[in-house]
Amino acid sequence: DIQMTQSPSSLSASVGDRITITCRASQGIRNDLGWFQQKPGKAPKRLIYAASSLQSGVPSRFSGSGSGTEFTLTISSLQPEDFATYYCLQHNVYPRTFGQGTKVEIK
Amino acid sequence: EVQLVESGGGLVQPGRSLRLSCTTSGFTFGDYTMSWVRQAPGKGLQWVGFIRSKAFGGTTEHAAAVKGRFTISRDDSKSIAYLQMNSLKTEDTAIYYCTRYNWNDPESAFDIWGQGTMVTVSS
Repeated sequence: DIQMTQSPSSLSASVGDRITITCRASQGIRNDLGWFQQKPGKAPKRLIYAASSLQSGVPSRFSGSGSGTEFTLTISSLQPEDFATYYCLQHNVYPRTFGQGTKVEIK
Repeated sequence: EVQLVESGGGLVQPGRSLRLSCTTSGFTFGDYTMSWVRQAPGKGLQWVGFIRSKAFGGTTEHAAAVKGRFTISRDDSKSIAYLQMNSLKTEDTAIYYCTRYNWNDPESAFDIWGQGTMVTVSS
């Protein structure tokens, strides 16, 4: 199975901060990776697909990069509505695997 | 409007069975591979399995934790995906989500999710 190591597991940041979340795959997955945001009591929401393509309707402060084994999600200027948990998901091979999640909290 | 709506969750005793449904609308269901993902209380997301579209064989893949106990199926005439869960264990307690992916359209990968249905396995 491919392990997706996501870091950090949590972070505290202020409105306006730039933050980066990383997912490392235990083997190459090309660009078969998505990033998802989840707020309490809600279903996951896709932000990024194919590692770097922005989901329609998602603010441009979100961006994704990477290919192969290392991927990043960047929020360029954190907004109040961005405080949530973020997950990566690889769908290159099965079993599909998620990162452990990164909880972004208000400092 | 594209919609996925899960149903069928509830409280069930260990060892019993439950069938979840993912009722869809607003898109050509038959073109999509349908996946199930679960989330135990306070935990992260876990892939449960998927069923391929008929164009890719209509076959299934399941996570090791549920293999042999859970079965995914689909009814393209009704645009519904199912998750049959047998021999339930307390560790299967989770919210179960369905999501879609058209393998001919990379842009569609897990783009839409249902609201989830809660399954509680307890005596």
